[in-house]
Amino acid sequence: GENVEQHPSTLSVQEGDSAVIKCTYSDSASNYFPWYKQELGKRPQLIIDIRSNVGEKKDQRIAVTLNKTAKHFSLHITETQPEDSAVYFCAASIGTGGFKTIFGAGTRLFVKA
Amino acid sequence: IAGITQAPTSQILAAGRRMTLRCTQDMRHNAMYWYRQDLGLGLRLIHYSNTAGTTGKGEVPDGYSVSRANTDDFPLTLASAVPSQTSVYFCASSDGLYTGELFFGEGSRLTVL
Repeated sequence: GENVEQHPSTLSVQEGDSAVIKCTYSDSASNYFPWYKQELGKRPQLIIDIRSNVGEKKDQRIAVTLNKTAKHFSLHITETQPEDSAVYFCAASIGTGGFKTIFGAGTRLFVKA
Repeated sequence: IAGITQAPTSQILAAGRRMTLRCTQDMRHNAMYWYRQDLGLGLRLIHYSNTAGTTGKGEVPDGYSVSRANTDDFPLTLASAVPSQTSVYFCASSDGLYTGELFFGEGSRLTVL
């Protein structure tokens, strides 16, 4: 089955700096790659996603890149702010419906003011 | 607008007892999922259902069972709880057709003593 690995497990950056989180997946059939943000004590919420027919997607300060050949995808947050502090999860699934979405272990991001 | 409702929010349970975590959604989503969240291990898929009447095993199904008698409800049962099942359990749903976004409930914190 699918396996998703995520690095680093913890990331600390200064406010205004960029943060990068990297993930790899094992199942070449995966074609949908979402990223979720989970604030302390809250439920995970989708922040951005990318499909396999696209190499990059950007939404304001957040961007995701996908390298299908290498089975790598990454989250880039620019101009980080203290409210970006949270746990971020990458995930992978097959198909358009999110079926059997498999998550990485998460990255705890600290943004220091 | 409720979205996904989980119950109970928190429960302490003696080992060996039977426990059912309830999950109800009002978004008419086709797919539903149960994840457990443990520190350092991210969100691990227990069971899923692509549509009413069907279920499937995820990454860590042992010790758990589910049913999907209708579109809205997706209960998770621990037949005989063990301490290793102490975790936070999240129910989620997705439309299963057009978007892979998962909508999560608020979680159920289960402690097995």
